[in-house]
Amino acid sequence: GENVEQHPSTLSVQEGDSAVIKCTYSDSASNYFPWYKQELGKRPQLIIDIRSNVGEKKDQRIAVTLNKTAKHFSLHITETQPEDSAVYFCAAIRTYKYIFGTGTRLKVLA
Amino acid sequence: EAGVVQSPRYKIIEKKQPVAFWCNPISGHNTLYWYLQNLGQGPELLIRYENEEAVDDSQLPKDRFSAERLKGVDSTLKIQPAELGDSAVYLCASSSLPGLAGSNEQFFGPGTRLTVL
Repeated sequence: GENVEQHPSTLSVQEGDSAVIKCTYSDSASNYFPWYKQELGKRPQLIIDIRSNVGEKKDQRIAVTLNKTAKHFSLHITETQPEDSAVYFCAAIRTYKYIFGTGTRLKVLA
Repeated sequence: EAGVVQSPRYKIIEKKQPVAFWCNPISGHNTLYWYLQNLGQGPELLIRYENEEAVDDSQLPKDRFSAERLKGVDSTLKIQPAELGDSAVYLCASSSLPGLAGSNEQFFGPGTRLTVL
């Protein structure tokens, strides 16, 4: 069946450094790729998304890139801050069908 | 705008007992999802509703799980009887039908953390 692989499962970076999280999807019909941030005990919240007709999207310190041919997309966080520490989930969506990645626990060390 | 509301936030029960979770989606959102999230894992879809119709329940363990969405608004998810392995966070999410802009964004509720002893 369809799946989304996400790497790494944990990531520690020094404050101010960049963090990159990568996802690979299997359903070539997926056309929408959101990224969610989930802090401990809280709900997942959308931080950025990208559609299949776009290769890159940026919003302040976060950016997402999409390579449809290779079926992978990545989240880039620059100038990381302690409040960026959370679990990040990618997802690949075809119409209403959401497939989530297994999550990346990001720790930003002060 | 109020977000997705879920209750209870926490529930502790003994195995073999029944339990029910409630979700109130964002007003106007036609599509409602129930997910199961185990610790350290991504959300896994249990069931998706479009209005009052369950259009995808292929991942719902129907021997013990049931769900309903009366009148296409609020929804309840029930487990009867609960097993130890059902301990997890149950998330509800909602989205509107995509318009020309094709927005698929889902909005999540805070979840119900279930502990089965």
